[in-house]
Amino acid sequence: EDQVTQSPEALRLQEGESSSLNCSYTVSGLRGLFWYRQDPGKGPEFLFTLYSAGEEKEKERLKATLTKKESFLHITAPKPEDSATYLCAVTGTASKLTFGTGTRLQVTL
Amino acid sequence: ETGVTQTPRHLVMGMTNKKSLKCEQHLGHNAMYWYKQSAKKPLELMFVYNFKEQTENNSVPSRFSPECPNSSHLFLHLHTLQPEDSALYLCASSFEGDRQFFGPGTRLTVL
Repeated sequence: EDQVTQSPEALRLQEGESSSLNCSYTVSGLRGLFWYRQDPGKGPEFLFTLYSAGEEKEKERLKATLTKKESFLHITAPKPEDSATYLCAVTGTASKLTFGTGTRLQVTL
Repeated sequence: ETGVTQTPRHLVMGMTNKKSLKCEQHLGHNAMYWYKQSAKKPLELMFVYNFKEQTENNSVPSRFSPECPNSSHLFLHLHTLQPEDSALYLCASSFEGDRQFFGPGTRLTVL
């Protein structure tokens, strides 16, 4: 059974204080690892797809990386508007998306 | 309107009521999904439809009944729900199993 574990559960940063979120996974035949952002009361918003170890993707202050066992979402010089829950999910040979419980990020001034 | 839309956004119902959730996607996708999101738990996949055909029912109780009349519309019919069914219900769509795009969700409260 595919599994995704995200850490930390919650993270509080000051504006400009860079950090990383972790997503550890076990999956049968990785077909894709996905990062989503979810604001309170809203649906998840797609950020990145990573397909193979060594791949990296960037968008503004966010950078996602992938190894054979985990993915990191690096946040560089975060701003308050980056506050949200960040979800990681994987899909394997079963073609089913398995989510982690997310990391709740709060960025303060 | 673009993306994935869901109605209603909020729903309060008693345990004996019958209600339906509606989802519509304007992205030309061929797969649609229902998820349940409860506090402190990962998103739980409930149902998957590919080209209007149900391809997955993730051991969901029969008090939840999905309907997919075409590749753009998806319904979730609810009857005799329990308080523990209170959650955020999310609809998503994708093209051939690629990245999924989510709607805003329906916040359901069962009294």
